[in-house]
Amino acid sequence: DSGVTQTPKHLITATGQRVTLRCSPRSGDLSVYWYQQSLDQGLQFLIQYYNGEERAKGNILERFSAQQFPDLHSELNLSSLELGDSALYFCASSVQGVGGNTIYFGEGSWLTVV
Amino acid sequence: GQSLEQPSEVTAVEGAIVQINCTYQTSGFYGLSWYQQHDGGAPTFLSYNALDGLEETGRFSSFLSRSDSYGYLLLQELQMKDSASYFCAVTTFSGGYNKLIFGAGTRLAVHP
Repeated sequence: DSGVTQTPKHLITATGQRVTLRCSPRSGDLSVYWYQQSLDQGLQFLIQYYNGEERAKGNILERFSAQQFPDLHSELNLSSLELGDSALYFCASSVQGVGGNTIYFGEGSWLTVV
Repeated sequence: GQSLEQPSEVTAVEGAIVQINCTYQTSGFYGLSWYQQHDGGAPTFLSYNALDGLEETGRFSSFLSRSDSYGYLLLQELQMKDSASYFCAVTTFSGGYNKLIFGAGTRLAVHP
């Protein structure tokens, strides 16, 4: 158990809908990262937050948005969902930004768009 | 841009040694990490190299050559439980902040 909690674990929704994925980082970790992993694919970096502020952006679609709240939990919002958005979405956290610090992954949220 | 290259699949037998290579092209390179991911599971940290040379952690070792933009993960005394995907990841510094970018992963199959 990494200490990073993600909900929901599984989610099935229809095209065009909107979902919110939630992440609670490890106690004391200020940085939160979101990654997308499609079937048999690598980990695509989406976005990173540090203590409530956006720090880095990857290949995140405009239909997707995220935020980190004062209690440090984070939410990833996915809207106007398409079949291709079906993937495993990972949240990870670390004490600081990645400067050699290990980042710890949650178990992921499986999103299926039908 | 940034790119990482690693083999898509590697096969080995129990007890053997396997090396998974990773080459990268990136600006603002900070260090190279390795993560293991079993099917359906979360990636877990294995090792990190910021300086040239070999880092050893039990049966796993990781090597980095910054001048060659190259690193590898060496797994010794392979066990069936080592069957998993292995990702190299570069830490890059850009825009004032660090990012961790993953390669596409190498699927290791260990056979009896």
